[in-house]
Parts: sequence; structure tokens; C-alpha cells
Amino acid sequence: AQKVTQAQTEISVVEKEDVTLDCVYETRDTTYYLFWYKQPPSGELVFLIRRNSFDEQNEISGRYSWNFQKSTSSFNFTITASQVVDSAVYFCALSEADTGFQKLVFGTGTRLLVSP
Amino acid sequence: DTGVSQDPRHKITKRGQNVTFRCDPISEHNRLYWYRQTLGQGPEFLTYFQNEAQLEKSRLLSDRFSAERPKGSFSTLEIQRTEQGDSAMYLCASSFERHTTLNTEAFFGQGTRLTVV
Repeated sequence: AQKVTQAQTEISVVEKEDVTLDCVYETRDTTYYLFWYKQPPSGELVFLIRRNSFDEQNEISGRYSWNFQKSTSSFNFTITASQVVDSAVYFCALSEADTGFQKLVFGTGTRLLVSP
Repeated sequence: DTGVSQDPRHKITKRGQNVTFRCDPISEHNRLYWYRQTLGQGPEFLTYFQNEAQLEKSRLLSDRFSAERPKGSFSTLEIQRTEQGDSAMYLCASSFERHTTLNTEAFFGQGTRLTVV
């Protein structure tokens, strides 16, 4: 069965600090996708990144970077030099070939609070 | 393109009443998904459509829930005889899938927050 665990319920940092959000997943499938979404107070889930299970290269996009390690089933997300606008709930999610990639299984989210 | 649109944004209803939510996906997106999110939790999959066909329903979707997507455009989610446990945010998402084995990102709407009193 698939499962996504985000052990950090809430993280508080001061602006300009770096912060890493952890994501650990479970799947028996060999083909799957991992995602990160951001949910600001407005409620809309904003897509940040998708990574397939065959691509373990780390990715950097501006202040965001992602570290995918299949050996530890982790897909961690780092924000460098955090800003107040980064305050939101961040969700990690998994989609599997077994289910035809028809649905996302989400973690419980990590609330990030960035104070000035 | 205005993104995925959901209506209403908020709904308060009395227990036992029926409610219906609407979702307008991004134009030409062939897949449409419904998720439910309760406080402090991540979204949970309810059902999805490929064009007008409803292809999968979660066990979370009891007999009181029904979803439709006539003509493969907008979708409605109806809850009959609402219960307090139905109180949640109902999120709609859409995506365009060219191949069955490819999973592009789904774009989410802002959700409909349902409160059953």
C-alpha cells in the first residue's frame, strides 16, 4: 500500500534562514511519481515539482531544491533564504503506476511559518 | 485561462440537507479529480473522470455522494442527507493526459468549504 509521511507538523523560521521539509514515502511499485504542492491560506494547491522514480537527480529552481533518494525512500524539499511569502502548508504526494497514476496520495503536510 | 474554478467557495448547510458543488476545469483538460481535505490533513482522493467517464471511486465516496461530468466539461459533486462528518474542504483538480501512463501535474481549484451544522 502507498503511504506518504511528513513527520514535521509545523516549522517556524526567521526570514533568510534555510529550511528543509522532509518527506518519506512507501510504495511497492517500481514506477511512480513524487510531487510537492504548496497550499497558501487561500486554499488552492499550487504545484511545485514532479519527479519520476527513475530520475534521482536533484533539482534546483531558484530558492527551491529537492533531494530525491530512493535508498531511503525520501524526497526532501529545501527552501534557501526563506521569505515571509513562503509561509504556507506544504504537501508531498505520491502517484503510482499500479493505480494508473490516477490519483495522488498526500502526506499530512508541514506548516511553514516564516517570520520577518 | 483562469484556472480551475469551484463554486461556491463556502457552503453552510443543516444536517440532512442535500448540497451540490460545481467545478469548472481548465479548458481542454480531459481529466478531472475530486478530493476531500479535512482540517490538519492532506487531501484524500474521492473520484476522477476521464472526459465524461467516471473511472474510479474511492471507498470514501459513500452512497450519499454522487459525481457527474456531463459532456466532459464541468463536474458536479452532490452530497445527499449531509452529516456533520461531511464537513471538509472539497477540492477539484484537472489535468491533461495524452497517454495513460503519463501523469502530468494536476491543477487545483481553491476548493469549496462545507460546514454541516
